[in-house]
Amino acid sequence: DTEVTQTPKHLVMGMTNKKSLKCEQHMGHRAMYWYKQKAKKPPELMFVYSYEKLSINESVPSRFSPECPNSSLLNLHLHALQPEDSALYLCASSQDLTNKNIQYFGAGTRLSVL
Amino acid sequence: GDSVTQMEGPVTLSEEAFLTINCTYTATGYPSLFWYVQYPGEGLQLLLKATKADDKGSNKGFEATYRKETTSFHLEKGSVQVSDSAVYFCALSDREETSGSRLTFGEGTQLTVNP
Repeated sequence: DTEVTQTPKHLVMGMTNKKSLKCEQHMGHRAMYWYKQKAKKPPELMFVYSYEKLSINESVPSRFSPECPNSSLLNLHLHALQPEDSALYLCASSQDLTNKNIQYFGAGTRLSVL
Repeated sequence: GDSVTQMEGPVTLSEEAFLTINCTYTATGYPSLFWYVQYPGEGLQLLLKATKADDKGSNKGFEATYRKETTSFHLEKGSVQVSDSAVYFCALSDREETSGSRLTFGEGTQLTVNP
């Protein structure tokens, strides 16, 4: 099983709302990632967790707050977003951070900020 | 820093045509190389990978060979189908000393196959 599950699939929120994106994997992977993808562009790395600790933050605005409550779950908390934050948000996981490990992606959450 | 350059799209082919999508890379270490595919409205799926020079990755009729001498990882398929219509991303993963590996993606190539 190489499945990464993301919920919800679609999300519409206003600029004053607070919402969360969820990601789950049961492959025993110890590295998990959040990416942002705009239309017709490659994914852009936002955050990396390794063994439930934040390893990389790509200078993401504080209105995005990641959380890794355990090795199977990754959340992205959203607050006071801007319309330009509308995008597809992808979660991925890999066995660990060595470069020979494949990153497996979820189907994404399509976010619209009004 | 690391970079990946893919041939620009979009690419439009007829069914059963031969496909090549060029990919070249720049990396300081010994990267692993990947092709990911993204179907409309979906996330990325790994298509194939190669972890060292001269490795050939293959899956679903697609092939790519890791060529260190030309720093290339071109994607090929002998006979495309309508169902192959998607965006294809070439990517590399190169371990960084301080923060672990990350994927560097090319810009993506949109492939449309007509019946």
